[in-house]
Amino acid sequence: GAGVSQSPSNKVTEKGKDVELRCDPISGHTALYWYRQSLGQGLEFLIYFQGNSAPDKSGLPSDRFSAERTGGSVSTLTIQRTQQEDSAVYLCASSRRLAGAWDEQFFGPGTRLTVL
Amino acid sequence: AQSVTQPDIHITVSEGASLELRCNYSYGATPYLFWYVQSPGQGLQLLLKYFSGDTLVQGIKGFEAEFKRSQSSFNLRKPSVHWSDAAEYFCAGGPSGGSYIPTFGRGTSLIVHP
Repeated sequence: GAGVSQSPSNKVTEKGKDVELRCDPISGHTALYWYRQSLGQGLEFLIYFQGNSAPDKSGLPSDRFSAERTGGSVSTLTIQRTQQEDSAVYLCASSRRLAGAWDEQFFGPGTRLTVL
Repeated sequence: AQSVTQPDIHITVSEGASLELRCNYSYGATPYLFWYVQSPGQGLQLLLKYFSGDTLVQGIKGFEAEFKRSQSSFNLRKPSVHWSDAAEYFCAGGPSGGSYIPTFGRGTSLIVHP
């Protein structure tokens, strides 16, 4: 079956521009996560969506970052006025995550963002 | 703070040798723990997970991990490493209940010599 897909795979932008990164989770997965992975670093949590609940935005590094999830499926991560320190690989993951339980995450291949 | 720690940034082993990658956690209650592998240019793939029960967990690709509460550890092992195992390995976890947002370690890069 189809896994988690992300687009674009690579994005090069100029400092100050806005970018949108897209994530298509596995069909039927209620939980969706965004992470940022910088060179040589682990995964930094950004935002978490679970069903129709309000998203957990506690990991967003600044108000330039926002995300939405439409219809409980596709998600878009938006970075406004990009800075060079935003350069990283942005990973999306989805999970069945039934209420009150942990479950494994399925990761997309990531979007490599380069801010010049 | 509750977290997952991978003390080794790089590990180098010879092909055919045994492997142990370390992971320590700092959750008070029984944690949920995962090991993921990230091959070059690939997304993260789950190797194995521990939720409860048997403390020795078998995963894919011949990997296993043992949950040791007394040592707050969840080390990943493989008896004989193959060159294709060269990758980045991440330990992740979280406390029972809570936000269900796993915390990831910084990763251990495995280098395999022929």
